[in-house]
Amino acid sequence: EAQVTQNPRYLITVTGKKLTVTCSQNMNHEYMSWYRQDPGLGLRQIYYSMNVEVTDKGDVPEGYKVSRKEKRNFPLILESPSPNQTSLYFCASSLNRQGNTEAFFGQGTRLTVV
Amino acid sequence: KQEVTQIPAALSVPEGENLVLNCSFTDSAIYNLQWFRQDPGKGLTSLLLIQSSQREQTSGRLNASLDKSSGRSTLYIAASQPGDSATYLCAPRGGGGTSYGKLTFGQGTILTVHP
Repeated sequence: EAQVTQNPRYLITVTGKKLTVTCSQNMNHEYMSWYRQDPGLGLRQIYYSMNVEVTDKGDVPEGYKVSRKEKRNFPLILESPSPNQTSLYFCASSLNRQGNTEAFFGQGTRLTVV
Repeated sequence: KQEVTQIPAALSVPEGENLVLNCSFTDSAIYNLQWFRQDPGKGLTSLLLIQSSQREQTSGRLNASLDKSSGRSTLYIAASQPGDSATYLCAPRGGGGTSYGKLTFGQGTILTVHP
């Protein structure tokens, strides 16, 4: 079954404690991205990756890092989380970034930073 | 920069009605447009994908149209059911510039279908 898997689904952490949210896809997709969803602001892109070792900033990259060492995995790293990073996070993947490509989303990670 | 607007923001209807949800976008240079459904606190489920060269796409009771030149898409839901209650999001995929390859989301339409 084609899927995007995020872990954990729920996370409560304290300010400044480094954390990683994992994302894995089993469709051999090249293009992966991270979004955050906040009330009144909708979904906004944080970072994206066009392929292994190729990543770039989205609309709201401050406070986040990503890596793409393998094609299937695209972890989101918060080096020093702050309360304004409390949000619902989604990982997405698609075959590539253009043309006939459907985006698939993970189930989301609800992060609370206290 | 692509901007997406969805109207109405919320819709409450009795079961059985036919519905139209509207989506407009400012940059017509898109590769495709995708409609999603999101249940409260849950992930996004893809409903329909329309390529930029297509005018319509259908899946069951859902029909989506795309007028790329005017920057509009509509999602038509026939014979609505309580199980259709969710937030519906449209997202064009940028075909160039700073939006290249990126999905830009509208705020969504919150749909409630009463039994």
